[in-house]
Formats: sequence, C-alpha cells, structure tokens
Amino acid sequence: DSGVTQTPKHLITATGQRVTLRCSPRSGDLSVYWYQQSLDQGLQFLIQYYNGEERAKGNILERFSAQQFPDLHSELNLSSLELGDSALYFCASSVDPGQGYNEQFFGPGTRLTVL
Amino acid sequence: GQQVMQIPQYQHVQEGEDFTTYCNSSTTLSNIQWYKQRPGGHPVFLIQLVKSGEVKKQKRLTFQFGEAKKNSSLHITATQTTDVGTYFCAGPGGATNKLIFGTGTLLAVQP
Repeated sequence: DSGVTQTPKHLITATGQRVTLRCSPRSGDLSVYWYQQSLDQGLQFLIQYYNGEERAKGNILERFSAQQFPDLHSELNLSSLELGDSALYFCASSVDPGQGYNEQFFGPGTRLTVL
Repeated sequence: GQQVMQIPQYQHVQEGEDFTTYCNSSTTLSNIQWYKQRPGGHPVFLIQLVKSGEVKKQKRLTFQFGEAKKNSSLHITATQTTDVGTYFCAGPGGATNKLIFGTGTLLAVQP
C-alpha cells in the first residue's frame, strides 16, 4: 500500500460524457501527478500540482483539466469523452516539487472504459 | 522531444535464468529511476541512480547507470516467479524536468 488513494477503481461511461477522478496523496506529500497508461502509449505524464498550484504540464488534452484543493487532494476532470480516452489513470505523489528527482508513490489507478 | 526507449519489449524466461533490460535516453539524464509494475498493479519505485557509472544492488537485482548518463540497465539474477511484471526506467526531461517513462519491459517467468 503506497498511501495514495484513488477513486473510483473502475468507471464505465459513454462517449461525450464527463467524469471526475479523485486522488488523495500520501500524508505529507505536496506534489500530485496524473498519468495515463494505455496499451499502446505506455505511461504518459499529464499534469503536476504542487501545494495547490499547477507545476508542470505534459501531454494533457484541452478536454482534460485538473486541480488540487487546499487539503491537497486532487481531481482530474475528463470531458467530451472519446473511445480513445479508455485507459488506466494513475495518480502519484511525492514530497517535493522536483518531479524528476524524487521518488513517486503511485495510487492503485482508475480504469476508465468509454463505450 | 526527449525519448526513453527500453529493450527488449518482452522477455520470457525459465525460473532460475537471468534477465536484463536496457534503457536508453536520447539526452543526458541527471538521474535515472526504475519502477516495477506487477500485472494489474501500479508502478512501484525500486531505485534511483545519480552518478555516472553508478552500480547499485538490491538482493538479486543489479542496477547500472552508464558513464555518459544516457543509458541504464537492470539485471536480475536467477529469476523467480515473483519477478514477473513490467520494469520501467524513468528520467527527468523537458523544461520542467517532468519524469519521462521508458517504454517498459514485460518479464514473464515460467516456473
């Protein structure tokens, strides 16, 4: 158990819909990262928040957005869903903002299926 | 953009055989991290290497960082069924030093 929690575990929805994925980082970790893992794309970094502020952006689509709240939990919002958005979405956390230099602790993931 | 490639993509071994996965970056890395993802699980941090030519061992696992800091390897001696999973290397890249994950190597171990 990494200490990072994600809900829901599974999500099945239809194209065009909007969903929200939730993540609670490890106690004491200020940085939260979101990743998308699909079979043909590997682990793709989406976005990072540090202490409530956006820190870095990766290959995140405009239909996707995220935020980190004062209690440090984070939400990833996916809208106008397409079939290709079906993937495993991981949240990870670390103590420091220097994401390339610190061990990241991953949550169990949310498996999104878009029908 | 920066790319981190791993070979092989897939390796199937008999239990007791050795296994090696290689990681190559298109740019010099300040450090390299290795993660393991069991089937159906999430990536779990294994180790971080920082110095050129650094070698670290964890029981049967040996990690190496190349002299030029552009490549790395993970060697498992005498594999066990518990070693099954995908091994990812990852290094910082881009303007914000985001962690770029390698393509991963899936290890299957036959008992």
